[in-house]
Amino acid sequence: QSALTQPPSASGTPGQRVTISCSGSTSNIGRNTVNWYRHHPGTAPKLLIYSDNQRPSGVPDRFSASKSGTSASLAISGLQSEDEADYYCATWDDSLNGLFGGGTKLTVL
Amino acid sequence: QVQLQESGPGQVKPSETLSLTCTVSGGSIRSYYWTWIRQPAGKGLEWIGRTYASGSSNYNPSLESRVTMAVDTSKNQLSLKLSSVTAADTAVYYCARGRASYSLFFDLWGQGTLVTVSS
Repeated sequence: QSALTQPPSASGTPGQRVTISCSGSTSNIGRNTVNWYRHHPGTAPKLLIYSDNQRPSGVPDRFSASKSGTSASLAISGLQSEDEADYYCATWDDSLNGLFGGGTKLTVL
Repeated sequence: QVQLQESGPGQVKPSETLSLTCTVSGGSIRSYYWTWIRQPAGKGLEWIGRTYASGSSNYNPSLESRVTMAVDTSKNQLSLKLSSVTAADTAVYYCARGRASYSLFFDLWGQGTLVTVSS
């Protein structure tokens, strides 16, 4: 059981906007930055968002993220078939431990 | 273009030590936080620990007693050793490049290598 809670699944139709939440605590999300990854099984995870809401170069602006208190969320607009993947939030914990959320499987209907 | 490549035995016997290497090509291994992450089949990602070229390391508390990580700057490689393995350690193991001190900000990942613990 991860210290970061994500919904196990999410879904949407092409073109829709979906959000994925990530809930933690003061010692992790509350005091450290959140990063988001997309993972297609069998491939390397890909960084989508770093430092709460920053997009690396090459990541389209339909990916956005925010954080408030001990929760964070990832939003994907203009959903595409290639977005069907597992999504993970990740952050540092003050106990000197790295944490990943349990992952959210996104299905594009 | 910097690339990471994990290598090591695909199968390890129970109670033995799992040893993996991650080779960094196209760039320096210095000045970054090098991290190992694993994913058991059907489960999520798990942070194993990280090490810096200076030798300082932090490990997941649940694995700390069994994990050792190191950086070899002369070979541009990082290593992972996990002792006393059990079937629960069967997973795809990834190495990743960390860009910030107290963050799970990884901008570069290896493709991963599957390690099966079985006799």
